[in-house]
Amino acid sequence: EAQVTQNPRYLITVTGKKLTVTCSQNMNHEYMSWYRQDPGLGLRQIYYSMNVEVTDKGDVPEGYKVSRKEKRNFPLILESPSPNQTSLYFCASSLSYGTAKSGANVLTFGAGSRLTVL
Amino acid sequence: RKEVEQDPGPFNVPEGATVAFNCTYSNSASQSFFWYRQDCRKEPKLLMSVYSSGNEDGRFTAQLNRASQYISLLIRDSKLSDSATYLCVVTGMDSSYKLIFGSGTRLLVRP
Repeated sequence: EAQVTQNPRYLITVTGKKLTVTCSQNMNHEYMSWYRQDPGLGLRQIYYSMNVEVTDKGDVPEGYKVSRKEKRNFPLILESPSPNQTSLYFCASSLSYGTAKSGANVLTFGAGSRLTVL
Repeated sequence: RKEVEQDPGPFNVPEGATVAFNCTYSNSASQSFFWYRQDCRKEPKLLMSVYSSGNEDGRFTAQLNRASQYISLLIRDSKLSDSATYLCVVTGMDSSYKLIFGSGTRLLVRP
């Protein structure tokens, strides 16, 4: 089954304790992205990757890191989590990026990771 | 002004009703338009792409109005299962086809 898998789904942690949220896709998609969703603010992009070893900042990158060493994996790293990073996080992927070709930029999302930082 | 704006709702309608949502966007050069559906606390899923000529998928009809820079979603014969948040998505301000999400319109269909 074509899917985006992210883990953990739920996590409660404390301020300053490093954590990683993993994301993996099995569709050979070039493009991957991380979003956070907060009430009233919609989905905001944190980081994205157009291909292996190519990453770039989204709209709200502060406090986050990513890496793209393999095409299928795109982990999100919080080096020193703070309470304002409490949120619902989604990983997503699409076939490609930067094209209006029909369907190529349709995003498939993971099930979400609900993170609480105390 | 937000790049993509939606009425947050909620739209509270009876089963069988017809309901329509609009979404306005600020980038006149946007090329791609989508409606995603998001159930409570779950991931967004593509409902339909929006084409220039308009398109229909069963009870759902999407329209694009480039002159006024809005897209619309019409749902006919609403079902209880249509209750969800509907996200408008368009490509963004620069030329990179970055996807920008609206904050969503919440629909509640009551028995």
